[in-house]
Amino acid sequence: GEDVEQSLFLSVREGDSSVINCTYTDSSSTYLYWYKQEPGAGLQLLTYIFSNMDMKQDQRLTVLLNKKDKHLSLRIADTQTGDSAIYFCAESNPFGDSSYKLIFGSGTRLLVRP
Amino acid sequence: DTGVSQDPRHKITKRGQNVTFRCDPISEHNRLYWYRQTLGQGPEFLTYFQNEAQLEKSRLLSDRFSAERPKGSFSTLEIQRTEQGDSAMYLCASSPRQRGTENQETQYFGPGTRLLVL
Repeated sequence: GEDVEQSLFLSVREGDSSVINCTYTDSSSTYLYWYKQEPGAGLQLLTYIFSNMDMKQDQRLTVLLNKKDKHLSLRIADTQTGDSAIYFCAESNPFGDSSYKLIFGSGTRLLVRP
Repeated sequence: DTGVSQDPRHKITKRGQNVTFRCDPISEHNRLYWYRQTLGQGPEFLTYFQNEAQLEKSRLLSDRFSAERPKGSFSTLEIQRTEQGDSAMYLCASSPRQRGTENQETQYFGPGTRLLVL
């Protein structure tokens, strides 16, 4: 079945770059997403990438997609203390499943040290 | 605030009681989703509606769970005879009608209802 995996924890110093990694198993995944969740809050969409792309940049965020290895990464440049949160990778396959449901990883907790 | 709202934000109940949660999606969003998130995990899909029609239900949604969206606007999720294993955050998300041929969909999440079953 579909599965999305992420490393559990990442600690970086303020001003450094953060790279959060994700692997997925469904080769027919068409959209891959990164969501951010702050304590006690819902999920905020950060960015997404379509499977025919290999890179997408949006201000401080860069998403890289390696379809061959089914590997997705999120790079945050100039990481700030406000970036401390849990980051979720998610995939959907609306063409194959006829459903837009999101399959999430278990999240990577990013801690930014001053 | 025109985001997705959920009520209540917190609910504590005793095992065996029934609970009902409400979700108000962003106005004119035609799709509405329910997810469940347990501690240390990502959200898991439960069910979704397109307008008032419930189009998909996860195997996680046992027969103690029922969801409705009677007028295609707000939705309710009811859990009957709650069990301790039902303790989780219940998240609602909505998404707008697609435009053109793009099949991408952005789901906007509410703040969630945290349920604790004692």
